[in-house]
Amino acid sequence: VQLVESGGRVVQPGTSLRLSCAASGFRFNDYGMHWVRQAPGKGLEWVAVILYDGTNRQYGDSVKGRFTISRDNSKKQVFLQMNSLRVEDTAVYYCAKELHSSYPTGLDVWGLGTTVTVSS
Amino acid sequence: DVQLTQSPSFLSASVGDRVTITCRASQSISTYLAWYQQKSGKAPKLLIYAASTLESGVPSRFSGGGSGREFSLTINGLQPEDFATYYCQQVNSYPRFPFGPGTKVDIK
Repeated sequence: VQLVESGGRVVQPGTSLRLSCAASGFRFNDYGMHWVRQAPGKGLEWVAVILYDGTNRQYGDSVKGRFTISRDNSKKQVFLQMNSLRVEDTAVYYCAKELHSSYPTGLDVWGLGTTVTVSS
Repeated sequence: DVQLTQSPSFLSASVGDRVTITCRASQSISTYLAWYQQKSGKAPKLLIYAASTLESGVPSRFSGGGSGREFSLTINGLQPEDFATYYCQQVNSYPRFPFGPGTKVDIK
């Protein structure tokens, strides 16, 4: 069971970036998927979730209206489209899998993270 | 939205100690709470879900308890590998899944 994030890099404020997370080793289309971020030296911040079939998506207040989570079950991937990036979006971004397929109980599989740096 | 607080934010302990971390919710979340351990530079690891259920493979020295608004994570017999930062997370279905601010457990 593995998650591998990619797409993080250094970008300027106001620009866009798309992160990807490739899943393997489990029935991807059975599970909700989350993005969680961690700014340098700070705690964990929940960013977004997408239901197993993509029909429901929710966002944290700090990214709502700027970030979009999506998934491609045929390719076992989840994405985070980040627009209008701000300096405060600088963080390591993790994707994570829900423990249970039926309802949220916790996040049991995490990727290694991908680093996004927003700087002029 | 539910807000989570943790106490203490930092604690210093010795190998073999029993330590307890508290997580409080701004409103009742039943037992929809998970606990994670994060070591420096690593991804978080799920320890406890549904407030008190030990995740597979997690040592039995870890235990969780509580319901409603107050929860606890206890480590009985702290081991060298347990020095890390611990986070609680509310998982009470949608639309938000906030984390607590974290508790760093350091070596005395």
